[in-house]
Amino acid sequence: EVQLVESGGGLVQPGRSLRLSCAASGFTFDDYAMYWVRQAPGKGLEWVSGISWNRGTIGYADSVKGRFTVSRDNAKNSLYLQMNSLRAEDTAFYYCAKDAAAGSYYFDYWGQGTLVTVSS
Amino acid sequence: DIQMTQSPSSLSASVGDRVTITCRASQGISSSLAWYQQKPGKSPNLLLYAASRLESGVPSRFSGSGSGTDYTLTISSLQPEDFATYYCQQYYSIPYTFGQGTKLEIK
Repeated sequence: EVQLVESGGGLVQPGRSLRLSCAASGFTFDDYAMYWVRQAPGKGLEWVSGISWNRGTIGYADSVKGRFTVSRDNAKNSLYLQMNSLRAEDTAFYYCAKDAAAGSYYFDYWGQGTLVTVSS
Repeated sequence: DIQMTQSPSSLSASVGDRVTITCRASQGISSSLAWYQQKPGKSPNLLLYAASRLESGVPSRFSGSGSGTDYTLTISSLQPEDFATYYCQQYYSIPYTFGQGTKLEIK
């Protein structure tokens, strides 16, 4: 059974940093690209970042470019999102999601999400 | 960036109704479009990809069509479990943007 479990969310002050993790199991992690998608409370989905299986392709939404860094450790079946210079508008549930097929770029499994709240 | 515009933003319908949700891209996306369903407090669930291909396990009352910039999601006969919010997502180019969502409510 595929499982994606995010962790690392919490309350953080504006300008500070936070690192999210996503632990994956139930599939061959290093066969798939992985993604972060966020959702502000009561709002829609926003694609944040993605990383290919071999880290060769990485992309970011304009809203986080230069502040967030995605990475992965295939040996640990883990995906990460380093978030720096956090702003109030970064407050959201952050989901990790798995490529539905190698190179598909849409998502068949999602984690339950971890809430990041940026507030003083 | 490619902008995705869904319409309507909300929709009231009854069990058994046929409903259609539209998603328009700001430029052609060559059917690189997925649809998701999200229920309150839950993660999104993939319904269709490549504009019209049904994900495994998704009921056949869900269908998709379209090309170029204009795409539709149709639910042929609404069931009680279909009342949720629906999102389209283009995966033609990074950033892989979502539509703003369509909330389907019970009339």
